[in-house]
Amino acid sequence: QKEVEQNSGPLSVPEGAIASLNCTYSDRGSQSFFWYRQYSGKSPELIMFIYSNGDKEDGRFTAQLNKASQYVSLLIRDSQPSDSATYLCAVNRRANNLFFGTGTRLTVIP
Amino acid sequence: DGGITQSPKYLFRKEGQNVTLSCEQNLNHDAMYWYRQDPGQGLRLIYYSQIVNDFQKGDIAEGYSVSREKKESFPLTVTSAQKNPTAFYLCASSGTGAGNEKLFFGSGTQLSVL
Repeated sequence: QKEVEQNSGPLSVPEGAIASLNCTYSDRGSQSFFWYRQYSGKSPELIMFIYSNGDKEDGRFTAQLNKASQYVSLLIRDSQPSDSATYLCAVNRRANNLFFGTGTRLTVIP
Repeated sequence: DGGITQSPKYLFRKEGQNVTLSCEQNLNHDAMYWYRQDPGQGLRLIYYSQIVNDFQKGDIAEGYSVSREKKESFPLTVTSAQKNPTAFYLCASSGTGAGNEKLFFGSGTQLSVL
């Protein structure tokens, strides 16, 4: 089982819809979870982080964490064309560094 | 402005040559990292350092070397032993301890083989 798995996509949604991005992880000891957005040719930028079970909302973004199921997701409401990017899920490891998934490419269609 | 500066933006390596990628941060972060990203792939950890004069191998350290002589600087050398060096290299920094794992990235260096 991979340390962090994401649906590779690509995922296409119409403008204004909700985009749902999913991530599973294998280490039950992981405590911190991050979502990064990466535009083509650019470096990743942090958009959400979550430490506790449940939902965390920030503007149009909601991160959801279920440690029992080892599952973390990112919802983007009212998707905009500017949200088109690759979204990387990252999970902390016991050695105090982050392991990244391979990313999900999102395209928002105007 | 606080941030992480990587240079150069583009770098070309000849066969058998060692090249060094620069990474400087003024965020006063203790920890620094080097990741490699291949097209359509996620980030893979090469080396990381949580304190000056100490560093650890990541998942793909073979063919790379680093140093951490100053808190602000964490250069990466891609040696001739790295047979497939073409990739996008990302340097990052963070605080240390629980709740401080958020990584902040530099703008990256694209390395290509001539």
